[in-house]
Amino acid sequence: KAGVTQTPRYLIKTRGQQVTLSCSPISGHRSVSWYQQTPGQGLQFLFEYFSETQRNKGNFPGRFSGRQFSNSRSEMNVSTLELGDSALYLCASSLNPQGADTGELFFGEGSRLTVL
Amino acid sequence: DAKTTQPTSMDCAEGRAANLPCNHSTISGNEYVYWYRQIHSQGPQYIIHGLKNNETNEMASLIITEDRKSSTLILPHATLRDTAVYYCIVRVAHGGSEKLVFGKGTKLTVNP
Repeated sequence: KAGVTQTPRYLIKTRGQQVTLSCSPISGHRSVSWYQQTPGQGLQFLFEYFSETQRNKGNFPGRFSGRQFSNSRSEMNVSTLELGDSALYLCASSLNPQGADTGELFFGEGSRLTVL
Repeated sequence: DAKTTQPTSMDCAEGRAANLPCNHSTISGNEYVYWYRQIHSQGPQYIIHGLKNNETNEMASLIITEDRKSSTLILPHATLRDTAVYYCIVRVAHGGSEKLVFGKGTKLTVNP
């Protein structure tokens, strides 16, 4: 079956702009999590959605937001982009919310954002 | 903060076993040990997880000490494609929506 699909794979934005990233989970998976990966901070949890509800949120400013649709697809948005937002944004899906099953997450290839 | 400690880097010869250690001295009784790996420019990939018994699957073996304060991931016959960053994570597997907390991981380099 198809894996987790993230679009776009690469994008370049300038400071002050906003960006929307998309994630299509594995068919049947209802939980979607987002992570930010930077060389300095490593992999950091952003938020998790299950059945269109945000269940958990990491320690990121309000400029970072997300949502999940009824078909489990998810989007994350970053407004007023800063240089430090340059990162690889990873989406992961699981059958149940993190912590409610074996905990295996399936990650996508990521969306690499560069902010100039 | 990550609840695990791993060496920053390790080397292994191709065809030999790679043994990656992880310390998790503050692990709770209901926390599992998970291993993921991330090959350059790809998303992390699940490898294996366990609670207190040793586990084995087609990718690797997981050895957890009796006091559960440390574990070792074993890749029995490492190949060049196993070169990656390996993350050891402890988390509750049932109940709640606890997020995964990734540490810095171990950069494993498999040499020809």
